[in-house]
Parts: sequence; structure tokens; C-alpha cells
Amino acid sequence: AQKVTQAQTEISVVEKEDVTLDCVYETRDTTYYLFWYKQPPSGELVFLIRRNSFDEQNEISGRYSWNFQKSTSSFNFTITASQVVDSAVYFCALSEGVDNQGGKLIFGQGTELSVKP
Amino acid sequence: AAGVIQSPRHLIKEKRETATLKCYPIPRHDTVYWYQQGPGQDPQFLISFYEKMQSDKGSIPDRFSAQQFSDYHSELNMSSLELGDSALYFCASSLDKDRGKLDYGYTFGSGTRLTVV
Repeated sequence: AQKVTQAQTEISVVEKEDVTLDCVYETRDTTYYLFWYKQPPSGELVFLIRRNSFDEQNEISGRYSWNFQKSTSSFNFTITASQVVDSAVYFCALSEGVDNQGGKLIFGQGTELSVKP
Repeated sequence: AAGVIQSPRHLIKEKRETATLKCYPIPRHDTVYWYQQGPGQDPQFLISFYEKMQSDKGSIPDRFSAQQFSDYHSELNMSSLELGDSALYFCASSLDKDRGKLDYGYTFGSGTRLTVV
């Protein structure tokens, strides 16, 4: 069965610190997608990144970077030089295999990041 | 660009009342998903529709029903509301034939915040 684990429930850092949010997933499918979403206090889910199982390239987007390692089933997210506006709940999510019906997203429990000035 | 539209944004109902939430997907998207996010929880999959047929079902209570109409919009009907139904309800849409492609993904609506009093 598919599962996403975000072991860090809450993280608190001081502005300008780097912070890494961990995500570990389980799936028996060979083809799958991984996502990160940001949920600010206003409640909407903001898409940050998608990665598919056949592309292990890491990605950097401004202060955000992602490390995808199939060998350890991890898809970690790092914010460099954190800012107060980064304070939010961050969700890692897994999409079921392409060969299967449905395609629903399975979310991790979320990590609440608090960046203090 | 058009986004996923959910209505209403906020809804307050009393116990045992009925509520109907609406979702208008991205034009040309053929799949709609409903998620329920309780306070401090991660979004939980309720139900999905592909081409107006139910494609998958999660932990959706029997008191809830949903359908997708000919114009692809979807409605989630919730009856005999309970206090525990208070949550943020998200709708997301996707294009099924993009599964397997590099840019496959989901577009989420802003959510409907249901409060049952």
C-alpha cells in the first residue's frame, strides 16, 4: 500500500537559517509522482514541485531545493535562508501508479514550519 | 488561466442539516477528486470521478454522496451533518491522459470551509 511519512510534525527556525523537511514514501508501483504543497494559514494548497519516478534529478528553484533519492524512498525539501513568509504547513504527497485506476494523491501528515524573525 | 472553482468558500450549517459543495474543474480536465481536511490533519481522499463515472472511493461516509455532471462539474452532497464534518473540503482536477507524462499534475481549488454548529 502507498504511504507517505513526514516524521517532523513541527519545525521552528530563526529567519535566515536553512531548514530541511523530510519525506519518506512507500509504494509498490514502479511509476509514480511525488509532490510538495505549501498550505499557508489562509488554507489553500499551493503547488511547489512535482517529480516523477523516472527522473531522479534534483531541482533548485530560488531558495527552494529538492533531493529525490529512490534508493532511500525519500523526497526531501530544503529552504535556504528561510524567511517569515515561509511559515506554513508543508505537505509531501504521492500519486498512485500510472497503471492503476484512480490516481488519487496520498498526503503525508504535514510539517508545520515556523520561521521567527 | 482558469483555475478550479469551488463554491461556496465558507458554509455554516447546523447539525442534521444538508450541505452541497460544488466544484468546477479546469476546462478539458476529465477527472475530479474530493478531499476532506480536518483541523490539524492532512487532506484525506473521499472520492473521484473520471468521465462522469466514479473511479475511486476513499473514506467517504455513507451520509455523503457525489456525482459529476455532463459539463464535468461535480457536487458533494452531505446529509445529516455532524460536528465532526467541520473541515476544509478541497476539490482537485486533472487530465487522465497526461498520467505518465512529465508534467502530469493536479490543480486544487481554494477549498470550502464547512463549519457545523
